[in-house]
Amino acid sequence: AQSVTQLDSQVPVFEEAPVELRCNYSSSVSVYLFWYVQYPNQGLQLLLKYLSGSTLVKGINGFEAEFNKSQTSFHLRKPSVHISDTAEYFCAVSAVADTDKLIFGTGTRLQVFP
Amino acid sequence: NAGVTQTPKFQVLKTGQSMTLQCAQDMNHNSMYWYRQDPGMGLRLIYYSASEGTTDKGEVPNGYNVSRLNKREFSLRLESAAPSQTSVYFCASSYGGADVFEETQYFGPGTRLLVL
Repeated sequence: AQSVTQLDSQVPVFEEAPVELRCNYSSSVSVYLFWYVQYPNQGLQLLLKYLSGSTLVKGINGFEAEFNKSQTSFHLRKPSVHISDTAEYFCAVSAVADTDKLIFGTGTRLQVFP
Repeated sequence: NAGVTQTPKFQVLKTGQSMTLQCAQDMNHNSMYWYRQDPGMGLRLIYYSASEGTTDKGEVPNGYNVSRLNKREFSLRLESAAPSQTSVYFCASSYGGADVFEETQYFGPGTRLLVL
């Protein structure tokens, strides 16, 4: 079985500062990794995903994440955040052989202050 | 394209009442899912349907039933609602085909359910 740990429940940051949201996963099999964003009172929207190939993945809204197999991590980064990035961010994992079962972390609330 | 739509947006039930949450997608996806979202717990899979005519249990199926009515629609039924089912429910769909690069789940806006 897979599991996901998001190490920070809340991350406050000032506008235009860089941010990193941490995600670690556990799995005995090969996995796919995802980051989703949820704006207030909305559904989840895919930011980016790692399936194979380059370990640095670029997503929408200037976000990127790096897959580190040895550290079983998939941290999300943005070099300069905007007020509009205030949202909840979820890391998720699925086994390569069972993509229907997406396991989510508990989420990290990013609060961007002016 | 509307994507994934859910009805109703809000619902208040009394303990023991029943209701059905509706979900539809217009992306011709094969797979559909129902999740619940609770504070501090992320999203947990209730049931999913890999194709029309099939359904499977997820992590937290107790107290729920589902129906994959056709390729577009996937409903979630609470037969006898309990306060522990107070949650936000999300429906999602994905291509579910052989091309792994198409594997992205698309989410609806959610249904907020309060069981008194």
